Amino acid sequence: DADVTQTPRNRITKTGKRIMLECSQTKGHDRMYWYRQDPGLGLRLIYYSFDVKDINKGEISDGYSVSRQAQAKFSLSLESAIPNQTALYFCATGGTGRLAGDTGELFFGEGSRLTVL
Amino acid sequence: KQEVTQIPAALSVPEGENLVLNCSFTDSAIYNLQWFRQDPGKGLTSLLLIQSSQREQTSGRLNASLDKSSGRSTLYIAASQPGDSATYLCVLSSGTYKYIFGTGTRLKVLA
Repeated sequence: DADVTQTPRNRITKTGKRIMLECSQTKGHDRMYWYRQDPGLGLRLIYYSFDVKDINKGEISDGYSVSRQAQAKFSLSLESAIPNQTALYFCATGGTGRLAGDTGELFFGEGSRLTVL
Repeated sequence: KQEVTQIPAALSVPEGENLVLNCSFTDSAIYNLQWFRQDPGKGLTSLLLIQSSQREQTSGRLNASLDKSSGRSTLYIAASQPGDSATYLCVLSSGTYKYIFGTGTRLKVLA
């Protein structure tokens, strides 16, 4: 099984619809991240979370919200999707590197391709 | 502000060639550096992680080095294969929440 699992992998929706992207991890990491990737723009940080009570905005949080339901689960929501939110979305987890055996390595999910018509 | 640049942006080589991908960064205060590969439309696969105290890491045909004093990391791929064709990203961690992504090198290995 993958360390970081994202669902759905592909989704087509219409403008104005609410959509949720889900992410779960088996690494036991506290830190979880949501990024979006657009052609020619690289990865940009949407939200990040250090634990279930610590959620922070990234560079491009407008139009998005998140929920950290448990240490292993971090969901990204688009309350009212718009076409310029069409992108490839990645969830990632990373350790702090301060605990024994934790190298601080970053792990990515396979991505969720979202198309907003 | 940390900036990460990868040169070249694109590279095309014949199969079997040894090649070097470069990653340059402006601030030597890094926690670790990671190399990833990404196939088109796919996720990022971790290749090698180099901790700040390390100079290099090896995995199979891949070798990554880190020279903090010169702000440089290289990814060496030996005996390249068409299956190595992908975009390669270097990613720096400063030890806080933030990861800085390089600009990427798009590699094509010709059969």
